[in-house]
Amino acid sequence: GAVVSQHPSRVICKSGTSVKIECRSLDFQATTMFWYRQFPKQSLMLMATSNEGSKATYEQGVEKDKFLINHASLTLSTLTVTSAHPEDSSFYICSATPWGEGFYGYTFGSGTRLTVV
Amino acid sequence: DAKTTQPNSMESNEEEPVHLPCNHSTISGTDYIHWYRQLPSQGPEYVIHGLTSNVNNRMASLAIAEDRKSSTLILHRATLRDAAVYYCILRERAQGAQKLVFGQGTRLTINP
Repeated sequence: GAVVSQHPSRVICKSGTSVKIECRSLDFQATTMFWYRQFPKQSLMLMATSNEGSKATYEQGVEKDKFLINHASLTLSTLTVTSAHPEDSSFYICSATPWGEGFYGYTFGSGTRLTVV
Repeated sequence: DAKTTQPNSMESNEEEPVHLPCNHSTISGTDYIHWYRQLPSQGPEYVIHGLTSNVNNRMASLAIAEDRKSSTLILHRATLRDAAVYYCILRERAQGAQKLVFGQGTRLTINP
């Protein structure tokens, strides 16, 4: 089945530094990937849609300059949290789907827990 | 985005069937009904999806009302591993990957 790998699973960084999170589709090509964030006891909030070879589409209220998304290949999207602050501490999750024949739904990464100290 | 309404929480016993309801009264004729579940500290997992007809797979069954304004996810025989937050989501039927917008979901507790 479709597998999405997310790395790292956990990261702690100092306030003011930047953190990059990778999302890879291991056995399929993904022209589109999605990035979510989730605070404790809350649901997933869609941050942006990542499109291979073009600019990401950000949801309303998400700062594009703070959350940089790059989708340079059909199997890799990255989310960089720039100048991270404690309020950026959250669980970040990516998702993709091998759209087309044999579609079985969206596959999600295992998530990255970011703690900013 | 069309919205869904689910109970905040439900509780059931191990080895008994579980029926998780979802209301989507504003669903359009081109929206698929998706169900995902999320275990603690993990990404969501696809469970099942459908358009108009009832669907079965190895994980669950999806019963869709005739008017499509509601649906029910059925776990035929719950186990402790089925304890999770279950999300009912509408996805637009269109070419390419369409975004999924999550609601609050139903937190399912399974008693041994």
